[in-house]
Amino acid sequence: EPEVTQTPSHQVTQMGQEVILRCVPISNHLYFYWYRQILGQKVEFLVSFYNNEISEKSEIFDDQFSVERPDGSNFTLKIRSTKLEDSAMYFCASKRGRTDTQYFGPGTRLTVL
Amino acid sequence: AQSVTQPDIHITVSEGASLELRCNYSYGATPYLFWYVQSPGQGLQLLLKYFSGDTLVQGIKGFEAEFKRSQSSFNLRKPSVHWSDAAEYFCAVASSSNTGKLIFGQGTTLQVKP
Repeated sequence: EPEVTQTPSHQVTQMGQEVILRCVPISNHLYFYWYRQILGQKVEFLVSFYNNEISEKSEIFDDQFSVERPDGSNFTLKIRSTKLEDSAMYFCASKRGRTDTQYFGPGTRLTVL
Repeated sequence: AQSVTQPDIHITVSEGASLELRCNYSYGATPYLFWYVQSPGQGLQLLLKYFSGDTLVQGIKGFEAEFKRSQSSFNLRKPSVHWSDAAEYFCAVASSSNTGKLIFGQGTTLQVKP
């Protein structure tokens, strides 16, 4: 069964450094998402991506964040200058059609020191 | 604004006992509702979903959920809990925006006593 994959599973970085989190969505899916979950809190929407552009972003998704689908298979989330409060689990998700189910990857745990 | 409330942060049940996890939503139209499970250190796995039709939906691992429009609820149930069901459970509603982003509840942590 196809699944969403994410790399790395865990990333440790110093405050102020740039990080790129990578995701490979399910191959025939058209809608892509990033969510994050700060430890002990609920899963929060960050951004959605469709037709090669951002379709919606939350207030969390400020200028420090960007997303890209560079080659038709990968979907990346970049944080330009990490802050301590960016420490969280980041989940990628994808779905085929607008009303279809979202499938989630296993997550990348980001730790900012 | 759309929202999801899971009133129970933590529930403990004995193995073999029945389980009900509560979920209430706030949504104007007919919602698309989901239950996901997250085991420690793992991602989110879809248990079941409700889009339309029969209000009692069956999912994986023996779970079911009932959509009750009059109560704005979508409670998750299992008749007999197994130790492997210990995990965190999230209820979610798909936003009415074109993106269909998911809005999650706070989650309920299920502990299973032997």
